[in-house]
Amino acid sequence: GAVVSQHPSRVICKSGTSVKIECRSLDFQATTMFWYRQFPKQSLMLMATSNEGSKATYEQGVEKDKFLINHASLTLSTLTVTSAHPEDSSFYICSARDHAVTGELFFGEGSRLTVL
Amino acid sequence: QQQVKQSPQSLIVQKGGISIINCAYENTAFDYFPWYQQFPGKGPALLIAIRPDVSEKKEGRFTISFNKSAKQFSLHIMDSQPGDSATYFCAASMLLTGGGNKLTFGTGTQLKVEL
Repeated sequence: GAVVSQHPSRVICKSGTSVKIECRSLDFQATTMFWYRQFPKQSLMLMATSNEGSKATYEQGVEKDKFLINHASLTLSTLTVTSAHPEDSSFYICSARDHAVTGELFFGEGSRLTVL
Repeated sequence: QQQVKQSPQSLIVQKGGISIINCAYENTAFDYFPWYQQFPGKGPALLIAIRPDVSEKKEGRFTISFNKSAKQFSLHIMDSQPGDSATYFCAASMLLTGGGNKLTFGTGTQLKVEL
């Protein structure tokens, strides 16, 4: 199946700093990518929908100035957690929709963010 | 309206047994129902998916049963193996009706298959 790569897989940062997470579709073009957040033993919560070449659409309750999303190309979307605080510590997962295949979403391996 | 309810929260099955996980939805506009498997520290991986025009879909040891009138669907894992121990999520989306495959996930089921 198609591959979605996330980087970094783990990141530890100090409170107040910003962290960027990359999501790449390695062998297909993705006009739409999704960013999720997952707390331990909980489900995936959609944060935002990232569309190539346009502004991201954020879910209710997600601060767009806190979680900056950029989808500059058909294979790359980035999530930047700005001025991170310990409560932002979580597992962030992206998914990408194969432009050529209707429906199927492919998920990245996730990025574990720990804010000290 | 957008919720997908999943049960049980956790499940222990003996090796070789059948694991059954159930989901129910409310939004009749959902038209795509995938199941995902997630191992600790990893992203979810698509197991099997079904559209509402089909009542059952089987792929290897995994079967989805779909009841459109009851707005319920379930995952059956036949001959469960210890390697199947993982968290399973059902999901739903409005794939063909403009939802763009924005998935709504169930709450997850932690499956443990014992020897």
